[in-house]
Amino acid sequence: ETGVTQTPRHLVMGMTNKKSLKCEQHLGHNAMYWYKQSAKKPLELMFVYNFKEQTENNSVPSRFSPECPNSSHLFLHLHTLQPEDSALYLCASSQAAGEAFFGQGTRLTVV
Amino acid sequence: AQSVTQLGSHVSVSEGALVLLRCNYSSSVPPYLFWYVQYPNQGLQLLLKYTSAATLVKGINGFEAEFKKSETSFHLTKPSAHMSDAAEYFCAVSEIRSSASKIIFGSGTRLSIRP
Repeated sequence: ETGVTQTPRHLVMGMTNKKSLKCEQHLGHNAMYWYKQSAKKPLELMFVYNFKEQTENNSVPSRFSPECPNSSHLFLHLHTLQPEDSALYLCASSQAAGEAFFGQGTRLTVV
Repeated sequence: AQSVTQLGSHVSVSEGALVLLRCNYSSSVPPYLFWYVQYPNQGLQLLLKYTSAATLVKGINGFEAEFKKSETSFHLTKPSAHMSDAAEYFCAVSEIRSSASKIIFGSGTRLSIRP
């Protein structure tokens, strides 16, 4: 148990579907992150939120839409994805510049 | 801007041998540095961290790392490898600017252990 919970653990969606990934942390952290991990590629930082405000968008396509309604919850809304978006999506949280605590990830497959 | 370079995408050692995974960083402000381990289909787990205290940092599972500012390095070592150490290892750097934190990861090193 890392304190960061991601749901669902696995998701299969068609290219015309709309789905959302959820991340929840009860560690009292003020920063939350979305990372994408594809096979044989580095861990890619997608979005960063500090105190519910987006502070980083790493040139992510608009078919990925993050939402941070409060400091404990982070969502990633997905629509009209492409097969190359299939990957492990990891959520993390941290307190300022301290270590990141990761969820178990959502394995996304786009068909 | 911060960056992390991990030398060697794959390292293979014999069981009982020394493990050395290399990490170099770039940061315009004093960094915090981390090593994480990832097992298949799992999230990342913190092994150890450097936050400007002692330069030699000890972590879990017998791993340690030394912060060398002059070399901008933070290499991970373990004196004697176990089969259970086989995993992907990531070096990371974080910095905080104007109350906004960001953590950047290296490309990872896959560690294999030979019987």
